[in-house]
Amino acid sequence: QKEVEQDPGPLSVPEGAIVSLNCTYSNSAFQYFMWYRQYSRKGPELLMYTYSSGNKEDGRFTAQVDKSSKYISLFIRDSQPSDSATYLCAMSALDDKIIFGKGTRLHILP
Amino acid sequence: DVKVTQSSRYLVKRTGEKVFLECVQDMDHENMFWYRQDPGLGLRLIYFSYDVKMKEKGDIPEGYSVSREKKERFSLILESASTNQTSMYLCASSPQAGSGQPQHFGDGTRLSIL
Repeated sequence: QKEVEQDPGPLSVPEGAIVSLNCTYSNSAFQYFMWYRQYSRKGPELLMYTYSSGNKEDGRFTAQVDKSSKYISLFIRDSQPSDSATYLCAMSALDDKIIFGKGTRLHILP
Repeated sequence: DVKVTQSSRYLVKRTGEKVFLECVQDMDHENMFWYRQDPGLGLRLIYFSYDVKMKEKGDIPEGYSVSREKKERFSLILESASTNQTSMYLCASSPQAGSGQPQHFGDGTRLSIL
């Protein structure tokens, strides 16, 4: 079983829709959870960072962590064409080594 | 904002050459990391460092070495480049060991080995 599972997509949704991106994981020691956005030919950019279970909101973005189910989600409201990118989930314990999902390619259709 | 700068965006080298990739961060971070990113394989950790002159092997260190002579600079070295090292190389930094803080990435170096 892989440590982190993420559907590679591509996921295509119309502009203005709510997008849901998800990852599952197997290591119960993970405490820190992140979402990165990566545009083509650029490095990953930190989007959301959360500790333990619960929700965190930042503008149009909401990160959700359910440690009991080992499941994390990123919701994007009012999606825009500029949100088209690859989204990487990531998580770590206290050893500073981050385990990344392989990324989901998202296309927002104008 | 954290700034991680990689010296080259694109690089073309020949097999057998010794290749140096440079990375500098401006936030006094203790931790620095080198990854490669390939389609279908995601991000793979090559080497990391928690302090000056300190280095640890990641998941795929074979064929690579690193150097950290100053806190802000972390260099990746391909000792004798091979075609299977053609990839996107990403450098990252994070504040301090054991803090669980996220990593911040540079924009990458797309390296082609001919």
